[in-house]
Amino acid sequence: AQSVTQLGSHVSVSEGALVLLRCNYSSSVPPYLFWYVQYPNQGLQLLLKYTTGATLVKGINGFEAEFKKSETSFHLTKPSAHMSDAAEYFCAVPDRGSTLGRLYFGRGTQLTVWP
Amino acid sequence: ETGVTQSPTHLIKTRGQQVTLRCSSQSGHNTVSWYQQALGQGPQFIFQYYREEENGRGNFPPRFSGLQFPNYSSELNVNALELDDSALYLCASSYPGEGTYGYTFGSGTRLTVV
Repeated sequence: AQSVTQLGSHVSVSEGALVLLRCNYSSSVPPYLFWYVQYPNQGLQLLLKYTTGATLVKGINGFEAEFKKSETSFHLTKPSAHMSDAAEYFCAVPDRGSTLGRLYFGRGTQLTVWP
Repeated sequence: ETGVTQSPTHLIKTRGQQVTLRCSSQSGHNTVSWYQQALGQGPQFIFQYYREEENGRGNFPPRFSGLQFPNYSSELNVNALELDDSALYLCASSYPGEGTYGYTFGSGTRLTVV
């Protein structure tokens, strides 16, 4: 089975500071990878996804992530945090070679942005 | 109709009771998956339905069951509720062939079992 590990259950940054949320995956082949955001009392919204091609993926709200095969990582970054970025962020990987619509999620990272 | 709608948004049940959660998917989304998100955890896959048939299940007991209807709506039923069933339940649907790459998630139903 696929798996992802998110390092740091809580990250706090000041408004305007760099945001870095870490995700490492466990897979014998290059996986597809996703980042989702969950605002309080809401469902999951797709931020960005890596499938094939360019390893630097740009998403919504100024976020981007870089797929690094050598490090089995897919860290999420944003150059300048905004108060509205406060939310929980999940890294996820789907089943490969399967038609099953299953995602394996990390445990999530709660991002707090201080004014 | 756009988006995925779940109902109710919140409910409280007593241990041992049964509950039905509902999901209304976007027109054309004939694949729907259900996830359980316990407090402080990432979502866990319960099962998937495609064209009204279950075609995959995660590590959940048979008391978790589902239905999918031709009008792109679906249900998650949980029998003999346990305290550990307290969680946010999410449904996600997609167009044929998109699978996880085209997921649209609903806002979830928060179930509390007391």
